[in-house]
Amino acid sequence: DVVMTQSPLSLPVTLGQPASISCRSSQSLVLSDGNTYLNWFQQRPGQSPRRLIYRVSNRDSGVPDRFSGSGSGTDFTLKISRVEAEDVGVYYCMQGSHWPSTFGGGTTVEIK
Amino acid sequence: QVHLQESGPGLVKPSQTLSLTCTVSGGSISSGSYYWGWIRQPAGGGLEWVGRIHTSGSTNYNPSLKSRVTISVETSKNQFSLNLSSVTAADTAVYYCARDPVWGQGTLVTVSS
Repeated sequence: DVVMTQSPLSLPVTLGQPASISCRSSQSLVLSDGNTYLNWFQQRPGQSPRRLIYRVSNRDSGVPDRFSGSGSGTDFTLKISRVEAEDVGVYYCMQGSHWPSTFGGGTTVEIK
Repeated sequence: QVHLQESGPGLVKPSQTLSLTCTVSGGSISSGSYYWGWIRQPAGGGLEWVGRIHTSGSTNYNPSLKSRVTISVETSKNQFSLNLSSVTAADTAVYYCARDPVWGQGTLVTVSS
């Protein structure tokens, strides 16, 4: 299975400040068709995961533009330009390029 | 917008079969080209794909569970189902059904005698 490694495990952030989460895969997520199936999910306390970003950098409908995704190959990043209180929760990267799809271990974003 | 709702027993005895159903509303389960999947999350833990079924009927199961998992579609009821046999305490988790980008609210299944 492709192992997804996220860092940091915990990310205390001051309101209004930026945040960045790293996700690395144990093998390239680029497929022969050129697509890279790397998604980012947010899981607020007590809620189901919600997809924020698909195929590395595409924001889902309704996702604030302070969220952005970037990266390529095996190295990916989720950035929040200015953290708001509603952004508290656990963030997961997930690769869908190789079955079984696998998730990173999660990064907990909390307010300082 | 598609909406998904899981249902099934919240308590299953060890060695028995866990059976869950996901009811789809707001769209037809047989339309388009989608994967309808099951993901689970143990309490306080991470997320694990259990398996998925494509609109075409093809299935993919997580190899770690493959011999115990069956996913099927009931088109007439606009539902898809998960059967996980020979369960143990390690199968205790919240089970989510999902179809990109929509997830259900999840249902907790506890394996205990």
